[in-house]
Amino acid sequence: DIQMTQSPSSLSASVGDRVTITCRASQGISNYLAWYQQKPGKPPRLLIHTASTLQSGVPSRFSGSGSGTDFTLIISTLQPEDVATYYCQKYNTAPLTFGGGTKVEIK
Amino acid sequence: QVQLVQSGTEVKKPGASVKVSCKASGYIFTNYGISWVRQAPGQGLEWMGWISTHDGITNYAQNFEGRVIMATDTSTSTAYMELRNLRSDDTAVYYCARHRPPYDAWGQGTLVTVSS
Repeated sequence: DIQMTQSPSSLSASVGDRVTITCRASQGISNYLAWYQQKPGKPPRLLIHTASTLQSGVPSRFSGSGSGTDFTLIISTLQPEDVATYYCQKYNTAPLTFGGGTKVEIK
Repeated sequence: QVQLVQSGTEVKKPGASVKVSCKASGYIFTNYGISWVRQAPGQGLEWMGWISTHDGITNYAQNFEGRVIMATDTSTSTAYMELRNLRSDDTAVYYCARHRPPYDAWGQGTLVTVSS
């Protein structure tokens, strides 16, 4: 099975900072990659699909890129409401594995 | 609007079974599959499998093969996930999600606690 590895596992940044989260697949998955945001006690929320397509209603400060095995989620200017854990997920074939998550906090 | 509403909290003993329901509304149920994802306390997301609401075909994660059954009732737009032979490490929040994929709608989650 393809493994999904996220880094870092956690980060602390200041409001207004640019934040970068990476996700690496152990084999190529084309662009079948989604990013989710999860706040405590809530279900995940889809942010980005097909590696770079912003889901409707998601602020434009979120962006995604990559293809094959290496992917990136960028928050261009971190806001207090972006405190959450972010997960990537591959969905080209089953199992639809998630990355281990990246916890984003405000410094 | 699209909604997935799950059944309530469950407390089970080791060895028992649990059945969680997920009632969909706001869209044509058979146009999307339903996936199940769980999250142990303080841990990440674990994909359990998915079911086609169109023809009932299932695809289970290897970790759950033989212990999980996913089913749907199209007359009530409800999906079900039954997990058998529960262990303490099955304690988690269980989510259903609308499966295209990826998952653009999620249930609120159902806490299942396994304790003697």
